[in-house]
Amino acid sequence: EVQLVQSGAEVKKPGESLKISCKGSGYDFPGYWIGWVRQMPGKGLEWMGIVFPINSNTRYSPSFEGQVTVSADKSISTAYLQWSSLKASDTAMYYCARFNSPAFQGGRFDPWGQGTLVTVSS
Amino acid sequence: QSVVTQPPSASGTPGQRVTVSCSGSSSNIGSYSVNWYQQLPGTAPKLLIYNDNQRPSGVPDRFSGSKSGTSASLAISGLQSEDEADYYCAAWDDSLSGWVFGGGTKVTVL
Repeated sequence: EVQLVQSGAEVKKPGESLKISCKGSGYDFPGYWIGWVRQMPGKGLEWMGIVFPINSNTRYSPSFEGQVTVSADKSISTAYLQWSSLKASDTAMYYCARFNSPAFQGGRFDPWGQGTLVTVSS
Repeated sequence: QSVVTQPPSASGTPGQRVTVSCSGSSSNIGSYSVNWYQQLPGTAPKLLIYNDNQRPSGVPDRFSGSKSGTSASLAISGLQSEDEADYYCAAWDDSLSGWVFGGGTKVTVL
């Protein structure tokens, strides 16, 4: 079974750094892009960025470029999303998802991780 | 404000047919395939429809997708209580050079 399991909920203070993880199993992890999606409280889905574990190539949404870093360690089948300095507005649920196509334009995200809730509060 | 627009809500009684619309532009829906995701309350999104009208294995055939020009639609036939969820359309967007999601539609079973 293809599965993505994310790290647990985090509570942080503004200005702190954070790295959350997404571990894949049941498939050839290095060979599939992993995307990250934000869902702010009571709001919709927003694509943030994507990483290709086999060579660590990345792409970012203009809205998130410079705000977060996506990465991956293919040796342990794990992708990451990190912040160097959190803001209260980063409070949200974050999902990772496998991208099922060699071509960006025609693919889809499936499956999704269970989500990691990040709360940033002083 | 998303570049892909969905109505915020839709509703129907059990057994009815409900449709959810998704309106975009030539830089996204008009040029690329549309996927639909279902998010049940308190859970992660799940792929419901891909490539405009294809169902992954395990998705009931009461869910169907279609596309015409720069708009797409999700139809739920024979609405059931367990279909109460948020539904999101998504597509690649050339202007963003990335994926755009619609704002989501909350489907309520009356």
